[in-house]
Amino acid sequence: GAVVSQHPSRVICKSGTSVKIECRSLDFQATTMFWYRQFPKQSLMLMATSNEGSKATYEQGVEKDKFLINHASLTLSTLTVTSAHPEDSSFYICSARSSGEPDTQYFGPGTRLTVL
Amino acid sequence: AQSVSQHNHHVILSEAASLELGCNYSYGGTVNLFWYVQYPGQHLQLLLKYFSGDPLVKGIKGFEAEFIKSKFSFNLRKPSVQWSDTAEYFCAVSGAGSYQLTFGKGTKLSVIP
Repeated sequence: GAVVSQHPSRVICKSGTSVKIECRSLDFQATTMFWYRQFPKQSLMLMATSNEGSKATYEQGVEKDKFLINHASLTLSTLTVTSAHPEDSSFYICSARSSGEPDTQYFGPGTRLTVL
Repeated sequence: AQSVSQHNHHVILSEAASLELGCNYSYGGTVNLFWYVQYPGQHLQLLLKYFSGDPLVKGIKGFEAEFIKSKFSFNLRKPSVQWSDTAEYFCAVSGAGSYQLTFGKGTKLSVIP
């Protein structure tokens, strides 16, 4: 149980385009989903927290208009990187928590974004 | 603001050696503590967690961790490592009830057969 998937696993795009990353909880309802960014040889940095049906809460320094988050259902959250630039290239990871285990997050496999 | 410090960036051990990975945190209230493991090419998996009660927590695959409140530490241990334990290990902390995790920078463990 507690499986989280992400799609796509890798994406390469041109500078200026937008990229959408999906995060799904496969066998539980995720009341909250989190989006992280991981730079090489560094830790995961929380970007935003999204609750189903409400606006995401962004961490300080994260541009809301650049990283659009939608949590439309209890099993799906999407992160859209708008007008991507090479500096947005990174590893994006989502996690989800359920009402049954509110203090535990389950992580997706991550999405490697490369912006040319 | 909370922070997590992992002492070692890369640890190299021979099989059957004992393991201890250090983790110290900074936080002004009650915390929940976690160790996650990321095997090569795989996603983060929960190894063990501490919320309250017995400060010695046992996790999967023979790992355990001890919460020492006075030292703000939550070190990960395993008496005898295997080659399959080669992975990156992340310590994380959240304030009780906050759900937001703060991660350490990770420790890469390489086990030599």
